[in-house]
Amino acid sequence: GESVGLHLPTLSVQEGDNSIINCAYSNSASDYFIWYKQESGKGPQFIIDIRSNMDKRQGQRVTVLLNKTVKHLSLQIAATQPGDSAVYFCAEGEGDDYKLSFGAGTTVTVRA
Amino acid sequence: DGGITQSPKYLFRKEGQNVTLSCEQNLNHDAMYWYRQDPGQGLRLIYYSQIVNDFQKGDIAEGYSVSREKKESFPLTVTSAQKNPTAFYLCASSINGVVGHTEAFFGQGTRLTVV
Repeated sequence: GESVGLHLPTLSVQEGDNSIINCAYSNSASDYFIWYKQESGKGPQFIIDIRSNMDKRQGQRVTVLLNKTVKHLSLQIAATQPGDSAVYFCAEGEGDDYKLSFGAGTTVTVRA
Repeated sequence: DGGITQSPKYLFRKEGQNVTLSCEQNLNHDAMYWYRQDPGQGLRLIYYSQIVNDFQKGDIAEGYSVSREKKESFPLTVTSAQKNPTAFYLCASSINGVVGHTEAFFGQGTRLTVV
């Protein structure tokens, strides 16, 4: 079946550097994409979302880029901080079906 | 405070027993979801409900049951038919908006262990 997945399971980043987390999706009908952050033992927290009629959206220290041509989604975190250490998931949704499909996640570790 | 509450945080079950996980939200959201998360893996959808008295199977519904008698509550029962129930269970809710998808808000999870 079609799935959402991340390119790399782990990412180590120096504090203060920018992070880029990638996600590839295969369902061309998906029209909504979302990034979540999950800290150990907790539920996922919303970071930022983007609809398919956009290719870029910015939040506080985060930017999501959507490339529908190659079915690729990325999350950029500026000036990575120790508190950014977590597992990051991308998820996709399609049309009127309200379920979200999640990728396997990327574990981000910030080095001091 | 508005939010979504799961209880208990930790739950132990003997093999062969059914167990029910609680999920309550006071966000006035129409849609609610149950996901299962295994170590090092993403979230897999068990069941979801878009409106009261209605729910649909997700990708891994076998061995689970749900009910949606009230808008704010979506309990999940893990039955004895679920062969490998030990996992972290996450409940979520979202607005059933006319613009389509909106973000889902998650509870803090219930860690179920079969002993």
